[in-house]
Amino acid sequence: GNSVTQMEGPVTLSEEAFLTINCTYTATGYPSLFWYVQYPGEGLQLLLKATKADDKGSNKGFEATYRKETTSFHLEKGSVQVSDSAVYFCALRGNSGYSTLTFGKGTMLLVSP
Amino acid sequence: GAVVSQHPSWVICKSGTSVKIECRSLDFQATTMFWYRQFPKQSLMLMATSNEGSKATYEQGVEKDKFLINHASLTLSTLTVTSAHPEDSSFYICSARDPSGRPETQYFGPGTRLLVL
Repeated sequence: GNSVTQMEGPVTLSEEAFLTINCTYTATGYPSLFWYVQYPGEGLQLLLKATKADDKGSNKGFEATYRKETTSFHLEKGSVQVSDSAVYFCALRGNSGYSTLTFGKGTMLLVSP
Repeated sequence: GAVVSQHPSWVICKSGTSVKIECRSLDFQATTMFWYRQFPKQSLMLMATSNEGSKATYEQGVEKDKFLINHASLTLSTLTVTSAHPEDSSFYICSARDPSGRPETQYFGPGTRLLVL
């Protein structure tokens, strides 16, 4: 079956530091890949996505590239802000019609001033 | 963007009682809603898929008689945890799919934390 593995947190960074949160997946075929973010007290929000190999998703300064050869979708940001503190979830969806989302365990990011 | 609300945001109940959690799509009609469960430091685990006007589809290992799901309207789905026990304590998250968007347009509620004493 499908599965997603992401690095355990918390990840603690100072403001303006470089961020990488690793995510690898196991799936058959060509899934779509997502990063969701959950701010304190709020629901999960779609941060970015990529639907095919070598696609790069980007939003709010965050980027992730769909690497089929390494089955990875690592999240990066060049300069984090305190407001980026949240829990980040990597997820995939199979490519058959209305397949459901499979999530990683989530990685908490804490950014200090 | 679209909003999905959940009520209550947290609930404490005694063992043996039933608890109902509501999930509403506030500005779109959701033909499909999902219920997830999340334990500390664990993934969101899909419990069931709820389609308006029909029976929910439960994932393997989820007791349908324990977790009753009703999707009576296009904007409301409810999850009732019947005869709750301490092991049912968890974070329950609902999600709604906007049929007017692409398949990946799935919006999440803020979650409901359940503590069974």
